Amino acid sequence: QSALTQPASVSGSPGQSITISCTGTSSDVGGYNYVSWYQQHPGKAPKLMIYEVSNRPSGVSNRFSGSKSGNTASLTISGLQAEDEADYYCSSYTSSSTLGVFGGGTKLTVL
Amino acid sequence: EVQLVESGGGLVQPGGSLRLSCAASGFTFSSYWMSWVRQAPGKGLEWVANIKQDGSEKYYVDSVKGRFTISRDNAKNSLYLQMNSLRAEDTAVYYCARDYSLAAFDIWGQGTMVTVSS
Repeated sequence: QSALTQPASVSGSPGQSITISCTGTSSDVGGYNYVSWYQQHPGKAPKLMIYEVSNRPSGVSNRFSGSKSGNTASLTISGLQAEDEADYYCSSYTSSSTLGVFGGGTKLTVL
Repeated sequence: EVQLVESGGGLVQPGGSLRLSCAASGFTFSSYWMSWVRQAPGKGLEWVANIKQDGSEKYYVDSVKGRFTISRDNAKNSLYLQMNSLRAEDTAVYYCARDYSLAAFDIWGQGTMVTVSS
C-alpha cells in the first residue's frame, strides 16, 4: 500500500481541465511544502513537472499547476492535449521516514 | 547535456548480487544528493536509497536495509548501488536520479532492468 493516495485513473477530453489529487497526512503532504509531481509515459523515465507544491521547472508548460490544501495536494492540467496522456505520480517529504514517499500513480486518459 | 546513464542490470538468481552504476555528465555531480528509485513491472515508483554529496549520509528504504549499499565516486562522477541477497520482489527497473529539492528529482537516467528469478 502506497503512503500517498491517488485515484487510479482520471480522464478528460482535449481542451478540458483535469485535477489529480494526492492525499497524505500531517506527517507528509500536510506538514511540509515539499510535494512534487511526475509525468511518466510508457517505457520512459519519469519527468519532474511540479516541485515544492506549485513550482514548475524550466521548460514545463504552464498548463500544469500544483496546489495544496490540508493533507491533500493537487495537480491540475488545463487545456488537455493528447500528449498529456500518461501516468502521474506525486511524492512528498515525510517526517516518518528518512526517504520520501510516492503515491500509487494515476493513469490519465485523454478521450 | 545534463545526463545520467545507468548500467549493470540483468538476470540474477535469488540470493545473488548485482552492482548498478550510474554515470553522470553535464553538471557538477559532487554538488548534489543522488538517489536510486525503482519501479516493479506494472507498479509505481519506490525510493530505494539516497546519498549526500560527500557520501557521509546514506538512507535506505526498510525493505533493502542490510542488503543494498549506495555509494558514489565524485572523481568519476559516478553513483553505485551494490545489491546483495537479491529477492524476487527486487525485480524492477532501477533509475538513478538527481535530488533537486526534498522529494524532487529533476534529472533521471533511462533505467536499468534487474530481474531476480531462478
